[in-house]
Amino acid sequence: DADVTQTPRNRITKTGKRIMLECSQTKGHDRMYWYRQDPGLGLRLIYYSFDVKDINKGEISDGYSVSRQAQAKFSLSLESAIPNQTALYFCATSLAGLTDTQYFGPGTRLTVL
Amino acid sequence: GQQVMQIPQYQHVQEGEDFTTYCNSSTTLSNIQWYKQRPGGHPVFLIQLVKSGEVKKQKRLTFQFGEAKKNSSLHITATQTTDVGTYFCAGSVTSGGSNYKLTFGKGTLLTVNP
Repeated sequence: DADVTQTPRNRITKTGKRIMLECSQTKGHDRMYWYRQDPGLGLRLIYYSFDVKDINKGEISDGYSVSRQAQAKFSLSLESAIPNQTALYFCATSLAGLTDTQYFGPGTRLTVL
Repeated sequence: GQQVMQIPQYQHVQEGEDFTTYCNSSTTLSNIQWYKQRPGGHPVFLIQLVKSGEVKKQKRLTFQFGEAKKNSSLHITATQTTDVGTYFCAGSVTSGGSNYKLTFGKGTLLTVNP
C-alpha cells in the first residue's frame, strides 16, 4: 500500500552493526506494527504501538528496539545485528487495534552477514 | 499459547482447478482475517469473518468461518494465474481484558500452471 512506506527496501549489513529500519504512513492511523517474515514461518509480531506514548513488545522482541517519533513514523532498530535476523521486515498500520485490518508497507529485505 | 495452523503449506494446481486452504486454531477466535501476498509483494487484506458459521464471497473466492470459531477456509473456484501467491489467515483472540492478540498462520503458497 503506497500509504505505508519503508526505507531502506534492501539492506546488507555485517554482524555486530547497528541498523535502523524506518516506516512512515500517511493513513492517519494511530496503530503501527513491525513484523518479521521468514520462509515457512509466516508473519511474527516484533513490536507494536498504539500511539506515540505507547510501545508494546510482540512475540519476538528480543534483539530489537523501536521508536515512535510521531504518529506517522515508527522505526525498528537492531542494536547489534546477527545473522539469524536476516529476514523480510514489514511495517503495518491499522485504524483500530490488533484485530483491525492491517495495512502493510512494501517490506525491507535485511541480510546480516 | 495460541497457535494458528494452516494447511497445506504448498499447493500447485492447473489453471481452472479449484483450490482450498484451511486454518485451524487451538483456541476460539474472536474473528479471522485473510490476506494475500503476491510473490515479491506484501500482504494485502482480503476479508474479515466475525460470526460463527459466517460465509462470505468475493467473486471466485469463498471464505468460511466454522461454527465453533476455531477453523476457517478459503476456497478459490476455477483458479487463474492471477491467483498465484501466498494466502495467510490471521486469527485474533482476547488476551486479558480488551487486549487482543493477532496470530498469523504460516501461509499456503499457491502456484498455478497455465
